[in-house]
Amino acid sequence: DAKTTQPTSMDCAEGRAANLPCNHSTISGNEYVYWYRQIHSQGPQYIIHGLKNNETNEMASLIITEDRKSSTLILPHATLRDTAVYYCIVRVGDNAGNMLTFGGGTRLMVKP
Amino acid sequence: EAGVVQSPRYKIIEKKQPVAFWCNPISGHNTLYWYRQNLGQGPELLIRYENEEAVDDSQLPKDRFSAERLKGVDSTLKIQPAELGDSAVYLCASSFGDFSGNTIYFGEGSWLTVV
Repeated sequence: DAKTTQPTSMDCAEGRAANLPCNHSTISGNEYVYWYRQIHSQGPQYIIHGLKNNETNEMASLIITEDRKSSTLILPHATLRDTAVYYCIVRVGDNAGNMLTFGGGTRLMVKP
Repeated sequence: EAGVVQSPRYKIIEKKQPVAFWCNPISGHNTLYWYRQNLGQGPELLIRYENEEAVDDSQLPKDRFSAERLKGVDSTLKIQPAELGDSAVYLCASSFGDFSGNTIYFGEGSWLTVV
């Protein structure tokens, strides 16, 4: 799987948009970008994923650059319950290994 | 619909004792994963099953760890004997098929403390 680079930590004010960046400059054409988050003492929670196009669901939006070398996860109106570690993962799309390889993630702190 | 179910949620054992963790994946999911997460780190894959077959167990410490998925549904991960360094969260996950566009869903984890 391609390696990702994320900031170690970020702060965001409650009610504001949280924009979490991720660099994946070595991503291949068949690799998906996945985002998970992990709230303390819970298992990783799926947020969103995409291949080329921007994606949006009830939790977040995923913006992927045209060259696919970076992406941004957007939480439009962050709440205190969004405080968590956010993992950006690129996932290979063939039989080489259908799994998720987690890095260190970004620790997002949403403050009142 | 129920998510991935794991038990026990918490376990404290003395070193050299055995321990087992159970996982029930989401209904219909034929791919099952066991991950281990050490404190302050991201999860790391231990083993991946496609139905009953372990297709990737390269990261499973085979001297003391074993896993099985006899009927292609539930799975058990066993450690015998446990060591102090095995203290971690053991996460089970599942997905439908092996296409990387199919989402992998995680359970809440089994927290192991070895004393």
